[in-house]
Amino acid sequence: DAKTTQPTSMDCAEGRAANLPCNHSTISGNEYVYWYRQIHSQGPQYIIHGLKNNETNEMASLIITEDRKSSTLILPHATLRDTAVYYCIVKGGYQKVTFGTGTKLQVIP
Amino acid sequence: ETGVTQTPRHLVMGMTNKKSLKCEQHLGHNAMYWYKQSAKKPLELMFVYNFKEQTENNSVPSRFSPECPNSSHLFLHLHTLQPEDSALYLCASSPSGLRGGRDEQFFGPGTRLTVL
Repeated sequence: DAKTTQPTSMDCAEGRAANLPCNHSTISGNEYVYWYRQIHSQGPQYIIHGLKNNETNEMASLIITEDRKSSTLILPHATLRDTAVYYCIVKGGYQKVTFGTGTKLQVIP
Repeated sequence: ETGVTQTPRHLVMGMTNKKSLKCEQHLGHNAMYWYKQSAKKPLELMFVYNFKEQTENNSVPSRFSPECPNSSHLFLHLHTLQPEDSALYLCASSPSGLRGGRDEQFFGPGTRLTVL
């Protein structure tokens, strides 16, 4: 039972901002939005998480809509090394993390 | 470098062999996880340990046997595996799987297992 919906794939030109959307319309009040990415054949890498406020760290920014039903991960200046599968996950309390199929981001030179 | 190491990185074994995968975290975390990632499939959670106690077994066959001697080490003992068990096995840790809300996981590089 998927909690999030993401596009299967996206392309982004190198140096441009990559905006990855995620829908989580059934999110409940105590659930956080997490983003991870997995570069080919490596372990997933934690990127960022948020509850209701927008968040920014050295890797990315997370924009969560006011109703919390969707969010966008922003990589401000995509590089070839950002080519990966990006997972949007909703988790709260003692729930186990469930990875979906994610969005395959291809950064194009 | 995530602070989570896994050995070996690659393993080839026959169906009658017994082998073990090892995971070690240097982050002071209290929760550790085993995941399986088969080709072209999402990650599947296998086991969760919190403070050395198993808190999640996601209907994993008994030919996979986890062991968590302390909060820093996690093992996955393998015996009489099948070819369909060939996959990338990933270990992760988090500050505490019992803490409500935020609990980001840090993953190791994985062990690529091939069962012949």
